[in-house]
Amino acid sequence: GENVEQHPSTLSVQEGDSAVIKCTYSDSASNYFPWYKQELGKGPQLIIDIRSNVGEKKDQRIAVTLNKTAKHFSLHITETQPEDSAVYFCAASDSEDSSYKLIFGSGTRLLVRP
Amino acid sequence: GAGVSQSPSNKVTEKGKDVELRCDPISGHTALYWYRQSLGQGLEFLIYFQGNSAPDKSGLPSDRFSAERTGGSVSTLTIQRTQQEDSAVYLCASSLDRGLTPEAFFGQGTRLTVV
Repeated sequence: GENVEQHPSTLSVQEGDSAVIKCTYSDSASNYFPWYKQELGKGPQLIIDIRSNVGEKKDQRIAVTLNKTAKHFSLHITETQPEDSAVYFCAASDSEDSSYKLIFGSGTRLLVRP
Repeated sequence: GAGVSQSPSNKVTEKGKDVELRCDPISGHTALYWYRQSLGQGLEFLIYFQGNSAPDKSGLPSDRFSAERTGGSVSTLTIQRTQQEDSAVYLCASSLDRGLTPEAFFGQGTRLTVV
């Protein structure tokens, strides 16, 4: 089955700097890679996703890149703000598989220092 | 409703008791997932329902755990003879379908404390 590894487990950056979180996956059949943000006491919220037919996707200050050959994908947050502080999770799945399910990484706690 | 709704939001139970956790998915979503999140940890997959297909139960940690989804909508996760190690936040998510729009939306979770 799929296995997703996420690094780093914690990340502290100065406000305005960029933050990068990296994930690797094991199942070459995986073709859908979402990223979730979880604030304290809340459920995870989808912030961006990418499918295997593209290599990069951007949404304002957030971007995700995918390298299918190397089986890794990354989240990039530019011009970080204190409200970006949260736990971020990557996930992977094979959306064409009858047993499709999302497998999550272990999470990255991001702290943006004012 | 507008989003995935879970109840109760908090549950404290005595060791050995049974508990039921409820999830109301977004209307029309055919896929429903249960995950468990222990304190400071990631999301552990428990079970996945997709339409009328047999559920994927591969993540259930023991036979004390079971889940049902009635009428393709509401789901209940049941934990029998609860143990202290069952204490965690149980998260439910739903998505519209598998292929074209697999985006999963999460509820706020049920925090279960076994004392």
